[in-house]
Amino acid sequence: KAGVTQTPRYLIKTRGQQVTLSCSPISGHRSVSWYQQTPGQGLQFLFEYFSETQRNKGNFPGRFSGRQFSNSRSEMNVSTLELGDSALYLCASSLSPPSGQTSYEQYFGPGTRLTVT
Amino acid sequence: EDQVTQSPEALRLQEGESSSLNCSYTVSGLRGLFWYRQDPGKGPEFLFTLYSAGEEKEKERLKATLTKKESFLHITAPKPEDSATYLCAVQATGGGNKLTFGTGTQLKVEL
Repeated sequence: KAGVTQTPRYLIKTRGQQVTLSCSPISGHRSVSWYQQTPGQGLQFLFEYFSETQRNKGNFPGRFSGRQFSNSRSEMNVSTLELGDSALYLCASSLSPPSGQTSYEQYFGPGTRLTVT
Repeated sequence: EDQVTQSPEALRLQEGESSSLNCSYTVSGLRGLFWYRQDPGKGPEFLFTLYSAGEEKEKERLKATLTKKESFLHITAPKPEDSATYLCAVQATGGGNKLTFGTGTQLKVEL
């Protein structure tokens, strides 16, 4: 079974530009979450999508946005890039959000390394 | 606000030298505590989920335990291939799939 795939793997952008990152979840998984990983802050939650709806959002500015398509693939967009947006952006997929006492395992992709110059 | 603190930040072991990594947490209501392993340049790899105090899970040389305030990842007779950063995360009830991560323990196992 193929794992979570993310494209592109590496990206270099200039301040002020915008960027779109893509995530394809594991087949059958319908929940996708995005995280930003930096050396200083570690892994921080950006947002979660399920059934094309954003279910949860972290403490990031409105420049960070995302969406999910009917095939569960997800994209995140960062507008007006800043130097501080340089990070590894990780996508995680799971069958669905937690339900009752059940929590589903989340599997991460390899990430997109974004460098803003 | 949910918080996760991991210690030590870095750990160097000789092959075969057992040790434990600590993850202490505060969370409004714990749905689950997760352990991941991350190798350089890769995404985190799922290891365990623990749901309630007293629960234990094992996988090869790794054993994870959970109390009401902390979790331990015990590594028995480690090998160089166990070298990685180990991440702990909590999922709160009502928080969907959101995971709050600690900053990790960087483990190096030497021959």
